[in-house]
Amino acid sequence: AQTVTQSQPEMSVQEAETVTLSCTYDTSENNYYLFWYKQPPSRQMILVIRQEAYKQQNATENRFSVNFQKAAKSFSLKISDSQLGDTAMYFCALRGAYNAGNMLTFGGGTRLMVKP
Amino acid sequence: EADIYQTPRYLVIGTGKKITLECSQTMGHDKMYWYQQDPGMELHLIHYSYGVNSTEKGDLSSESTVSRIRTEHFPLTLESARPSHTSQYLCASRPGATNEKLFFGSGTQLSVL
Repeated sequence: AQTVTQSQPEMSVQEAETVTLSCTYDTSENNYYLFWYKQPPSRQMILVIRQEAYKQQNATENRFSVNFQKAAKSFSLKISDSQLGDTAMYFCALRGAYNAGNMLTFGGGTRLMVKP
Repeated sequence: EADIYQTPRYLVIGTGKKITLECSQTMGHDKMYWYQQDPGMELHLIHYSYGVNSTEKGDLSSESTVSRIRTEHFPLTLESARPSHTSQYLCASRPGATNEKLFFGSGTQLSVL
């Protein structure tokens, strides 16, 4: 079984500042993929960034970057220069490369509020 | 970006009614999923499909059923809705490749009175 834990139910940050969302996970597989999804008030799920476990280099997408610590099974998301549009629920997710159905396991989510 | 559609967007019905939540994607994806999002916002997998005529139950027990007669269509049915079924239902799809991202529909907010 695989699990994903987000220990911060809610966070807030001032506009233009940097915030880091935490995620830890557990899996018995050696090869897997990690994702951060954003769910704005419109409820649409949007992929923010993804990381392949066999790659040591941390993924980066514009203002979004991750700190992937494989040994610690940690996958935090850093949002730089926060914008009001970043206000949303953020979900960390894990997919094993070999598990049946390659299902995505989601964490419980972190509600991020960006304050003007 | 995503070509995956869910209808209706909102649905309010009475207890005991039969309902079908529609999900269609035009990307030719083999794998499709239904997630239920509880009021606390956690996402739970309730059904998935590898392809036509393939359906499996997910991690969370659900009284709903699904079918996959065509690649593009993955409807979810509740034979007799109850207030405990009130939730947000999200449909998703992706290609067969392992590292491809999941495309989500806009969701259906179901309220059972």
